[in-house]
Amino acid sequence: QVQLVQSGAEVKKPGASVKVSCKASGYTFTRYDISWVRQAPGQGLEWMGWISAYNGNTNYAQKLQGRVTMTTDTTTSTAYMEVRSLRSDDTAVYYCVRFSFYYGMDVWGQGTTVTVSS
Amino acid sequence: QSALTQPASVSGSPGQSITISCTGTSSDVGGYYYVSWFQQHPGKAPKLLIYDISNRPSGVSNRFSGSKSGNTASLTISGLQAEDEADYYCSLYTSSSTIVVFGGGTKLTVL
Repeated sequence: QVQLVQSGAEVKKPGASVKVSCKASGYTFTRYDISWVRQAPGQGLEWMGWISAYNGNTNYAQKLQGRVTMTTDTTTSTAYMEVRSLRSDDTAVYYCVRFSFYYGMDVWGQGTTVTVSS
Repeated sequence: QSALTQPASVSGSPGQSITISCTGTSSDVGGYYYVSWFQQHPGKAPKLLIYDISNRPSGVSNRFSGSKSGNTASLTISGLQAEDEADYYCSLYTSSSTIVVFGGGTKLTVL
């Protein structure tokens, strides 16, 4: 079945970087895009950006421009999302999501908890 | 795009119908934007309920329906069940901008 499996929880200090992986299976990886969405504790959903698994084109939320990088490895059907210069307000559950323009965000990973604390 | 406005909470009794609104502007919801709805139970990943305003993915109950009128998109849940108690989010994007905006979320309580 179609699924996205994310890497495990991370604890980081302020100023550090974190890289979350998202391995896709059950579909042709390059035929869909991957979005990343995060959710701070007790808060709503925040869209972080999008990457085309076909050609690597990206589009990041303005708020995160310069601190976030999304990449893909088509040989392993894996997407990656890195956030640099972490701050306490980056503490959140991070989700990768399969995305297409018509069907939208239809398959979600299980989420990766990132805690930023000194 | 500006933020989308959802009511913070709604409630209903089992068997009733409820509607959750998602209000934008004529520049977003009122235009040709793809509107989706998601359900999220505590501690779980969101689940797609509705895409492109009113379409249900395979496996989603027909108790869930979506619509749009003017600048407001709506999610209606009919025949309310206890397991429908969850948070619900709307989102929208366009094919040209590929920027996605989420509503603030609505907590549904089944009384």
